[in-house]
Amino acid sequence: GESVGLHLPTLSVQEGDNSIINCAYSNSASDYFIWYKQESGKGPQFIIDIRSNMDKRQGQRVTVLLNKTVKHLSLQIAATQPGDSAVYFCAENSEYGNKLVFGAGTILRVKS
Amino acid sequence: EAEVAQSPRYKITEKSQAVAFWCDPISGHATLYWYRQILGQGPELLVQFQDESVVDDSQLPKDRFSAERLKGVDSTLKIQPAELGDSAMYLCASSSLQGTLNTEAFFGQGTRLTVV
Repeated sequence: GESVGLHLPTLSVQEGDNSIINCAYSNSASDYFIWYKQESGKGPQFIIDIRSNMDKRQGQRVTVLLNKTVKHLSLQIAATQPGDSAVYFCAENSEYGNKLVFGAGTILRVKS
Repeated sequence: EAEVAQSPRYKITEKSQAVAFWCDPISGHATLYWYRQILGQGPELLVQFQDESVVDDSQLPKDRFSAERLKGVDSTLKIQPAELGDSAMYLCASSSLQGTLNTEAFFGQGTRLTVV
């Protein structure tokens, strides 16, 4: 299949290690944030979300951290697996109907 | 599990021709988005619907692109005439509202358009 993300930053990690993917968002009025995973040739897949009244939210093997002071979002993946290899996008939104805006994306490559 | 359906998956068209893409969102989702994704970039919003109404089409090239969601359910995105620079993945997504709060958007598999 095609390779999405030819010009995106790349994070390479060893299988079993933890991964941290960072994102800087642009709109200080954004109050809802989503991380998506996109595999080659497919649409983005929802991973985890967080609202602005929280600074941390955990899912299965994933944690999202939100720092509103510096407009920074991160996605932590524990015990990274080969199936986690993909492009990861953060997206910002307002809870009250504004458009969902995507960041530039990061390629995650997991080495076995 | 409910999914956003898009068709066709792949489309090759000659420049200056018309092309149309179809999207059927998850049942009950009031918000529908059309995005364009150029290889190596993040998705860019073209148009957002709330039910049958357009709430944001500021990035839609209206001289050649049109979108409709007549009954507030499925939607069609049209390009006429297609240009070489329109080659991209066209993604449809839908989301629901919990009261007045947005929830996560679910994406379809996309339509890969190649203009030759």
